[in-house]
Amino acid sequence: DTAVSQTPKYLVTQMGNDKSIKCEQNLGHDTMYWYKQDSKKFLKIMFSYNNKELIINETVPNRFSPKSPDKAHLNLHINSLELGDSAVYFCASSGTAGTGRNQPQHFGDGTRLSIL
Amino acid sequence: AQSVTQLDSQVPVFEEAPVELRCNYSSSVSVYLFWYVQYPNQGLQLLLKYLSGSTLVKGINGFEAEFNKSQTSFHLRKPSVHISDTAEYFCAVTPTGGGNKLTFGTGTQLKVEL
Repeated sequence: DTAVSQTPKYLVTQMGNDKSIKCEQNLGHDTMYWYKQDSKKFLKIMFSYNNKELIINETVPNRFSPKSPDKAHLNLHINSLELGDSAVYFCASSGTAGTGRNQPQHFGDGTRLSIL
Repeated sequence: AQSVTQLDSQVPVFEEAPVELRCNYSSSVSVYLFWYVQYPNQGLQLLLKYLSGSTLVKGINGFEAEFNKSQTSFHLRKPSVHISDTAEYFCAVTPTGGGNKLTFGTGTQLKVEL
């Protein structure tokens, strides 16, 4: 019954490695997002896809690459992990209203990434 | 661009007391407003939203918020809190014109004590 699910929930890895986080939603939404929450709990959007098309791409290092194979999935691949990448990464999804796109976003439980 | 200011980083309150969590925003365009709650080690859950209409909006768990356009505020209130309300609360805005890019405040930690 989980609406937005992320895997893995915890990810501990060494600096320099490449890792992926997967996200799936079963709400029938057509827009998905990735957010980063830092150690001070500040949340900032990274990317957004609508129907597999990139629509928001904030100032994020090129080492981060989102991939949306279909509108129910949005994965995040991170190359050459750095210490500063340690954070909680949240996936979210929302529907598209008839008159706009500002439907409330539904969040997953987060992936806690720790870089050693 | 939008910005959101949550004036209190921590709010301690006794159980059954009322609480108000403050949120002010800045934007050159009209916005929709949201409050989200984050329980420990969990994702964000939508508490309530203001899209249009009545400026007093009611959400889940007995919370309500009032949109004040002249003061650019969207303060969250609950008349009587419970221990289970202990959590981090985030105010967020997004432009009404589309894109659905949420801009969050820095969060307010509500700690309910016996």
